[in-house]
Amino acid sequence: DQQVKQNSPSLSVQEGRISILNCDYTNSMFDYFLWYKKYPAEGPTFLISISSIKDKNEDGRFTVFLNKSAKHLSLHIVPSQPGDSAVYFCAAEGNFGNEKLTFGTGTRLTIIP
Amino acid sequence: KAGVTQTPRYLIKTRGQQVTLSCSPISGHRSVSWYQQTPGQGLQFLFEYFSETQRNKGNFPGRFSGRQFSNSRSEMNVSTLELGDSALYLCASSLQGVTEAFFGQGTRLTVV
Repeated sequence: DQQVKQNSPSLSVQEGRISILNCDYTNSMFDYFLWYKKYPAEGPTFLISISSIKDKNEDGRFTVFLNKSAKHLSLHIVPSQPGDSAVYFCAAEGNFGNEKLTFGTGTRLTIIP
Repeated sequence: KAGVTQTPRYLIKTRGQQVTLSCSPISGHRSVSWYQQTPGQGLQFLFEYFSETQRNKGNFPGRFSGRQFSNSRSEMNVSTLELGDSALYLCASSLQGVTEAFFGQGTRLTVV
């Protein structure tokens, strides 16, 4: 039962353009969402997060949008740079009385120079 | 400030053997979580330890176990290894909960 889904396994974007990565979730009890970036042979690194009380959070070139009614979040990267090529995971956390992150399966982003 | 350190980085084991993986969290972090990453499955939560106590456990068989020491270092053990246990095992630490956890580089386990 995949509660957090990233339906696009891969995405290619031209350098300088906008990259949009999508994530859907099924559990309405999730109240905090995170994006992680992962390079090969490295662990995931935290990128940006958003609480369910907000619908947008921005940090430099990275913006995360949350649509609670659609149970959908997206990560926008503008402008895209070659160093952004990596696998991006979205993750969700809920107030279930436990402490764990539920991850999506990841989207491999390739920035084309 | 040193990051999360996982040892060993790579490991090859035979079916039926057991393995122990180690994780040293960031200094001051008391929460350590373990995840299994396999192609197409993303990161699957194994368990989380806080102050030497297992707080949460994922849906993995009892062959997967762990522990945390008083210095917050954690070990994960897998007994009776199966081919399907081949994966990247990631450890993450945080101050208290799992939010914005910092990950180690992982241990790549190959079972042959």
